[in-house]
Amino acid sequence: DGGITQSPKYLFRKEGQNVTLSCEQNLNHDAMYWYRQDPGQGLRLIYYSQIVNDFQKGDIAEGYSVSREKKESFPLTVTSAQKNPTAFYLCASIKSGQVGQPQHFGDGTRLSIL
Amino acid sequence: GDSVTQMEGPVTLSEEAFLTINCTYTATGYPSLFWYVQYPGEGLQLLLKATKADDKGSNKGFEATYRKETTSFHLEKGSVQVSDSAVYFCAMFMDTGRRALTFGSGTRLQVQP
Repeated sequence: DGGITQSPKYLFRKEGQNVTLSCEQNLNHDAMYWYRQDPGQGLRLIYYSQIVNDFQKGDIAEGYSVSREKKESFPLTVTSAQKNPTAFYLCASIKSGQVGQPQHFGDGTRLSIL
Repeated sequence: GDSVTQMEGPVTLSEEAFLTINCTYTATGYPSLFWYVQYPGEGLQLLLKATKADDKGSNKGFEATYRKETTSFHLEKGSVQVSDSAVYFCAMFMDTGRRALTFGSGTRLQVQP
């Protein structure tokens, strides 16, 4: 079955360290997204990409970076500039061009500070 | 700007009680509307959707109707079960602009036996 795979499930970051969260999809979806979820809050958009080699900032992009070199992959790097990175990170994807298509989500990566 | 507002939780119900979780949206066009459910430690799963006014989405006994006149998409279930305990998110998606989901803050449902 097709789906979205996020890894690792748990990740720990040391002070001043960059960490990269992996997101891979085999759904042949065009658009991919990264969201951040804090306790008791909804999901906020970090970055999104509609096509390969192109991506856009979302609402909370500061301290994060992404790349989209392949259609199926959209890794997120949490840089040392992100001062409060502890959160649950969710990757999503969608097939473009079809009205009403739902976004599919991975199982998330929980990032904590050591 | 575009936004989604849903009732704050937690909502605590006894098994077999009736459930309503309110959701309203603000949008500059005609979005598609969704309800997602999140179980502890997991990602989001699509529960139901509606793409135009007066559409009713339904799944697993849950229903929601797209009401353009009140810009609402309230989630209902006639008889909840303990297994329905989760966090429920209302969301909207515009097919123009940045084409990403806008979420409400989520409502935690706790069903007691």
